[in-house]
Amino acid sequence: GAVVSQHPSWVICKSGTSVKIECRSLDFQATTMFWYRQFPKQSLMLMATSNEGSKATYEQGVEKDKFLINHASLTLSTLTVTSAHPEDSSFYICSARAVGQGSNQPQHFGDGTRLSIL
Amino acid sequence: DAKTTQPPSMDCAEGRAANLPCNHSTISGNEYVYWYRQIHSQGPQYIIHGLKNNETNEMASLIITEDRKSSTLILPHATLRDTAVYYCIVRVGPNSGYALNFGKGTSLLVTP
Repeated sequence: GAVVSQHPSWVICKSGTSVKIECRSLDFQATTMFWYRQFPKQSLMLMATSNEGSKATYEQGVEKDKFLINHASLTLSTLTVTSAHPEDSSFYICSARAVGQGSNQPQHFGDGTRLSIL
Repeated sequence: DAKTTQPPSMDCAEGRAANLPCNHSTISGNEYVYWYRQIHSQGPQYIIHGLKNNETNEMASLIITEDRKSSTLILPHATLRDTAVYYCIVRVGPNSGYALNFGKGTSLLVTP
């Protein structure tokens, strides 16, 4: 149980385009989802916390107009990287908090999206 | 959240026990110790967590010292598939809405 699906798993696109990444909780409702970014040989860095039906809370240094987060339902959050540039190339990982599911894990993680901007 | 300190890397022979230490000397009374691991190019995978008692599940054992200032994750019979980065994270309980904050972790290499 408590599976988080992330799509796409990898994407390559040209500089200047916008890329949308989806994060779905498949068998539970997630009132809170988190978005992380991971550069090569580095740890996961929290980008933002997304609560269903409200605006996301961004970590210091993360541009909210660059990384648009939408959490319109209890099973789906999306991250859109707008006007992506090569420096946005990274591994993006989402996680979801399972509430009332009997889970003792604080967060369930997706398998990540590898984004490469040419 | 309390800060954790882990060795950057460790080696372990296949079939032997892997003991991964973690120091968390500033842990608060309501904070749990969580362990996750990340296999290359995948999302983090939950392993185990505990508050003050030792814990065991099908993946690993968690030994927490009596003063709770340090802990050890034990993989009893390491396999090549256990090669990963292991993260020790201290945070309030699972019902909290706060995100997990990942440090640098320990890169465990299991060798044949």
